[in-house]
Amino acid sequence: KAGVTQTPRYLIKTRGQQVTLSCSPISGHRSVSWYQQTPGQGLQFLFEYFSETQRNKGNFPGRFSGRQFSNSRSEMNVSTLELGDSALYLCASSTGHGNQNYGYTFGSGTRLTVV
Amino acid sequence: QKEVEQNSGPLSVPEGAIASLNCTYSDRVSQSFFWYRQYSGKSPELIMSIYSNGDKEDGRFTAQLNKASQYVSLLIRDSQPSDSATYLCAVIPGGGADGLTFGKGTHLIIQP
Repeated sequence: KAGVTQTPRYLIKTRGQQVTLSCSPISGHRSVSWYQQTPGQGLQFLFEYFSETQRNKGNFPGRFSGRQFSNSRSEMNVSTLELGDSALYLCASSTGHGNQNYGYTFGSGTRLTVV
Repeated sequence: QKEVEQNSGPLSVPEGAIASLNCTYSDRVSQSFFWYRQYSGKSPELIMSIYSNGDKEDGRFTAQLNKASQYVSLLIRDSQPSDSATYLCAVIPGGGADGLTFGKGTHLIIQP
């Protein structure tokens, strides 16, 4: 069974640009959530999608957005990149959402560097 | 602000001993609790989930939950050098509206 696939693995962008990251969940998983991991802040929740609807959103500015397609694949977009957006972005999938799931499986992540 | 607290370590344990990792959480109505293991440069890997008070065992791992004390722990029996990693405690706060809230993790070192 294929795991959670994130593309690309690495990205280098310039301040002010925008970026789109992609996530394909495990087959049959309908929930996709996104997290930002930095050495200082650890893992922080960005948002969660279930059946193409954003269910939950973390405390991040509006520059961070996402969407989910009918095949459960998800993308997240960061506009007007700042140096502080440099991080590992992790996608996780599960069968349910919120408290209706039995654990999230993470992808390998996209390492974003903003210069 | 819903918080999950862990001792950052490093926690050093001899090979073959029991490693005990602890976590406290602030949201009293949280219902779902998870332990993830993260090796350096890798993504988190789910080890255990627990939803009810008491112990849950899976191989060498035992998760313990005490909702009254807002406390979750992970015991690793017969610790192996391959268990050396950062262990992340994660909680879904009450209502499930905020995704997974993670602690900063405990760095565990198993000494051969």
